[in-house]
Amino acid sequence: AQSVTQLGSHVSVSEGALVLLRCNYSSSVPPYLFWYVQYPNQGLQLLLKYTSAATLVKGINGFEAEFKKSETSFHLTKPSAHMSDAAEYFCAVSRSGGYNKLIFGAGTRLAVHP
Amino acid sequence: ETGVTQTPRHLVMGMTNKKSLKCEQHLGHNAMYWYKQSAKKPLELMFVYSLEERVENNSVPSRFSPECPNSSHLFLHLHTLQPEDSALYLCASSQDASGGETQYFGPGTRLLVL
Repeated sequence: AQSVTQLGSHVSVSEGALVLLRCNYSSSVPPYLFWYVQYPNQGLQLLLKYTSAATLVKGINGFEAEFKKSETSFHLTKPSAHMSDAAEYFCAVSRSGGYNKLIFGAGTRLAVHP
Repeated sequence: ETGVTQTPRHLVMGMTNKKSLKCEQHLGHNAMYWYKQSAKKPLELMFVYSLEERVENNSVPSRFSPECPNSSHLFLHLHTLQPEDSALYLCASSQDASGGETQYFGPGTRLLVL
């Protein structure tokens, strides 16, 4: 069975600091991995997706994530946080074959302070 | 309208009421999904539709009844709900229901059951 663990339900950074949001997954088959962002009172917006084409995936708004098979990790980073990055971030896994079932982590709420 | 839209955005209902949530996608996709987002649980997949056929029911109680009249519209009919059903209900769509396809989410309907 697939699962996703996001370490840290809340992360707080200063504006301009590095953002690092952690995601570990388990999957018995090569996974598809996603990061979504949810702003208050909104739905989920896709940040980036790993499809095995490249281990370093660049997304929108300056975010990127690196797939590390040996560590079963897909951590999300951004070099310099902006106030507008404050939101909740979800890591999700899906698998090839079968129906398109996204398994989500519990989410990490990012706070950015001046 | 673009993307995935949901109406209403907010809904308050009593336990004996019957109401329906509506989702419409303007992306030309062939698969649609309902998710439930509760305050203290990860996002849960409820139903998957592919070409208007339900292909997955993730052990959802019968008081939730989905309907997909065409590939652009998805409904969730609600009846005799419980207070624990209060949550944000998110609709999503993807090109098809194959594993790994990117899902695009609507803004959600915030449901409160009294």
